[in-house]
Order: sequence, then C-alpha cells, then structure tokens
Amino acid sequence: DSGVTQTPKHLITATGQRVTLRCSPRSGDLSVYWYQQSLDQGLQFLIQYYNGEERAKGNILERFSAQQFPDLHSELNLSSLELGDSALYFCASSAQGAEAFFGQGTRLTVV
Amino acid sequence: AQSVTQLGSHVSVSEGALVLLRCNYSSSVPPYLFWYVQYPNQGLQLLLKYTTGATLVKGINGFEAEFKKSETSVHLTKPSAHMSDAAEYFCAARSYNTDKLIFGTGTRLQVFP
Repeated sequence: DSGVTQTPKHLITATGQRVTLRCSPRSGDLSVYWYQQSLDQGLQFLIQYYNGEERAKGNILERFSAQQFPDLHSELNLSSLELGDSALYFCASSAQGAEAFFGQGTRLTVV
Repeated sequence: AQSVTQLGSHVSVSEGALVLLRCNYSSSVPPYLFWYVQYPNQGLQLLLKYTTGATLVKGINGFEAEFKKSETSVHLTKPSAHMSDAAEYFCAARSYNTDKLIFGTGTRLQVFP
C-alpha cells in the first residue's frame, strides 16, 4: 500500500459527460501529480500541485482541470468526455525532492 | 527542457539471463533519478532512487542501477531474470529547481522460460 488513495477505481460514462476523480495523498506530502496512461500515448504527465498551488503543467487538455484543496487532497475534473479520454488516470504524491508514490489509478471508460 | 529517454520499448530475456534496461536523461545538472515498475492493472511502484553520492544504487527485487554522469545514463540491471520480473519499467527524473517529475516512455520486459 503506497498510502495514496484514488477513488473511484473504475468509472464508466458516456461521451459528453463530466467526471471528477479524487486523490488523497500520503500524509505529509505536499506535492500531487496527475498522469494519464493509455495504450497509444504511454504515461503522460498532466499537472502538478504543490501545497494548493499549480506548479507544473504537462499535456493537459483544456477540457480537463484540477485543483488541490487546503486539506491537500486533489481532484481532476474531465469534461465533454470523448472516447479517446478512456485511460488509466494516476495520482502520485511526494515530499519535496523525494520519490513519488502512486495510487492504484482510476480506470475511465467512455462509451 | 529536461527529458528522459528509454531505449527499447520491449526487451525479452530468458529466465536466468541478465536484464539490462537503458535510460538516459538530458539535463546540465544531474537530477534526482528513479526507476519504477508497473505490473498489469496496478499502479507504479518505486524500484530504486538515485539522489547524490554513490554511483551504484541497489533497489528492491534484486535490481540495481549504475549512474554514469559522463554518459548521462542510469541503466537498470538485474543479474538473473525471474519470470515474476515481467512488467513495464519506467525511468523518471526530477529537477532540483522545478520539482517536476518526468517519465520515460517505458520498457516492457518479457521473460521466457
């Protein structure tokens, strides 16, 4: 158990819908990262937050947004979903400069 | 910009053979470097981390990595492959300045009996 909790584990939704993925980091970790993993794109960095502030942005679509709350949990919002958004979404957390620990992921299927 | 390159998207070895997975980073200053393993339908698990100091770092499951600054590489090795090592392996780098964590494209390791 990495200590990073992601919910839900599985999500099936229709095209055009909006979903929210939730991540609870390890106790004390201030950094949260979001990644998308698909068969054709590999592991893509989406966005990083540090103590509530956005720190780095990767290949995140405009239809996607994220935030980190004062209690340090983070949410990734995906809207106007398309079939191509079907993927595994991982959250990871770390202390500054330390290794990142990953959650088990949320498998999103858009039908 | 910092980047991580893993050479070979697929590597196949026989059980008992040497495993060598290659990773190069691009950075003027050696970043923090990590190797992760992902088993099917699971999240990424840290195998080992290199920060500063020793050039040879030992990780879990018998893996180790040798850091070579002159070659900007941190290749992952295991002397004798086991069937249970079949998984996808990711190299990652984090810069001291930005704290951004960047992954390579991964190498899928197959182990044949």
